[in-house]
Amino acid sequence: SFELTQPPSVSVSPGQTASITCSGDKLGDKSACWYQQKPGQSPVLVIYEDTKRPSGIPERFSGSHSGNTATLTISGTQALDEADYYCQAWDSRTAVLFGGGTKLTVL
Amino acid sequence: EVQLVESGGVVVQPGGSLRLSCAASGFNFDHHTMHWVRQAPGKGLEWVSLIGRAGTNTYFADSVKGRFTISRDNSKNSLYLQMNSLRIEDTAFYYCARDQGNYNGLDVWGQGTTVTVSS
Repeated sequence: SFELTQPPSVSVSPGQTASITCSGDKLGDKSACWYQQKPGQSPVLVIYEDTKRPSGIPERFSGSHSGNTATLTISGTQALDEADYYCQAWDSRTAVLFGGGTKLTVL
Repeated sequence: EVQLVESGGVVVQPGGSLRLSCAASGFNFDHHTMHWVRQAPGKGLEWVSLIGRAGTNTYFADSVKGRFTISRDNSKNSLYLQMNSLRIEDTAFYYCARDQGNYNGLDVWGQGTTVTVSS
């Protein structure tokens, strides 16, 4: 079955670049989305179609996709970026699939 | 303002039934596929179900297939999730979410409603 794998946690120093990966055997022929979820809040779409940013999302958020791995990159990470991040893709059998989530800590 | 507001979450016994509702406003509801996504306490996001714009196409996660049904009333700008044969593991925060379209992600989320399955 199709699964999306994310690292459970990523740490970054303020001002540095954080990268969160999302991998899956069948991800190569699909596009990925990314969501940010802060404690007690609903998820927010931050990247769609691998690289596109919805209006209102800061430019420091970017996405890329190579082979079976999609990557969310946060440049110049700020304390307010500390959150859980989830990747998501579409699959012909499961319809919608989320990765397990990555807790980003800004130290 | 584009908004989704869920309701209907309560405490229910295992084997019981529950219907969640999601009221949409601020956008053309019938132009969008809609989803239910849940999140168990301390866990990640789990997609539950989606329904196409006309309400004729529906999909479910394996974990709820045969127990949950999804429906919508475009005249009332409302989305529903009928949950039957509830299990302890269905305990979660349930969100409704709007599909941006063309596999471009879920761009609007409600604040969620809590379903607790407990004896």
